[in-house]
Formats: sequence, C-alpha cells, structure tokens
Amino acid sequence: QKEVEQDPGPLSVPEGAIVSLNCTYSNSAFQYFMWYRQYSRKGPELLMYTYSSGNKEDGRFTAQVDKSSKYISLFIRDSQPSDSATYLCAMSYNTDKLIFGTGTRLQVFP
Amino acid sequence: EADIYQTPRYLVIGTGKKITLECSQTMGHDKMYWYQQDPGMELHLIHYSYGVNSTEKGDLSSESTVSRIRTEHFPLTLESARPSHTSQYLCASRVGAIGEQYFGPGTRLTVT
Repeated sequence: QKEVEQDPGPLSVPEGAIVSLNCTYSNSAFQYFMWYRQYSRKGPELLMYTYSSGNKEDGRFTAQVDKSSKYISLFIRDSQPSDSATYLCAMSYNTDKLIFGTGTRLQVFP
Repeated sequence: EADIYQTPRYLVIGTGKKITLECSQTMGHDKMYWYQQDPGMELHLIHYSYGVNSTEKGDLSSESTVSRIRTEHFPLTLESARPSHTSQYLCASRVGAIGEQYFGPGTRLTVT
C-alpha cells in the first residue's frame, strides 16, 4: 500500500466551478502538508503549505488537513482555464524528505 | 520566487553515452534534491545533499551519481545511459527549516 493515495483523474470542470482535490495517507507521523501545481512539461510549483491540522486560505485556494481522518484537500474557487494542470499533494514527517501523491490532472474548460 | 535552473531542458541521446544533467540555484540553499518522475507516477527521490561535499542516495535506486562541490551546483551524471533511464529528472532545493521544496523546470531525457 502506498503511503499517499491520490486519484489521478482526469477531472474536467467548467470555468467558475469549485474544484475539490484530495489525498489520503497512512502514516500518522506526517506533520507537513503541501500542494504543488505542475503544468505540462514544467517543474512542480508550490501552491500551499500547511503544518499539522487546520485550514489555510490564499486567494482562490484553500487547503484543509484532517489528521484524524488522514485526509487532506485543496479547494479551488472560481476555477479558471489557467488552473488546468496536474495537482500533486506532498507530505513529510521530518521537514526533509517529501512523499508525493501521483497527482490529479485537472482540466477547466471555458 | 525560486531561482533554480536545469539544463538541458530536453535531451535525446544514444545508449552507452555519458551524460550530465545540470542543476543550479542562486538562493544559497544548503539542501538540494534530485527526483525522477515518470508519466502518471509520483515523484521519486533519487539523490539529495545537505551541503557541500554531502551526498546521499534517495528512496529509489538509481544508477546515476551526483556531486556537490559548490553550494549552488548539484549535477547528476549517468556514466552509461540506457533506455530504462528515459524519464523526467527534477531538481529541487529547500528553503530554511520550514520544509517547502522549490523545483526547477526539469530535464526530459530520452535514451534511444
């Protein structure tokens, strides 16, 4: 069983929709949770970083961590075609090595 | 915004050739990382470094080697490329003690 599970999608939504992306994990020692966005043929770009449980908001993006359920989410409000990319969750227990999900491919159509 | 660079961006090379993938960062980060990414698969850590003259193997076994002679430079070398080495290679560096890693644009390697 993988330490981090992420639905690969693809997820296709209309412009303006609210998008929910999720990851589950098995290691309760994870403390640091990140979401990266990766455009085709580019490197991952850090979107959100959260320590332990709770919510964090940045513009149209909200990251949620539920450690009791071992579940993290990224919400994108008012989605735009420019949000079309692969979204990777990543987590760590010692702030050093990151464990990544496989990524969810999102397509936002006009 | 992170300043981390990788060259070449794309490389097609024949089997048996020696190749070096370059990675450099201008932020003075001590920790640097190399990942391998195949389509639809998670990133796998293949090498990392905590500073000059420090290199460690990652979780995924790799035939590549790395060196860290200067803080800003972390090249990866394949002595004899094989088709199984075809993949995207991503370099990253870490800021401070918080944990986020910042990635370069990647090198897409194809070995024929």
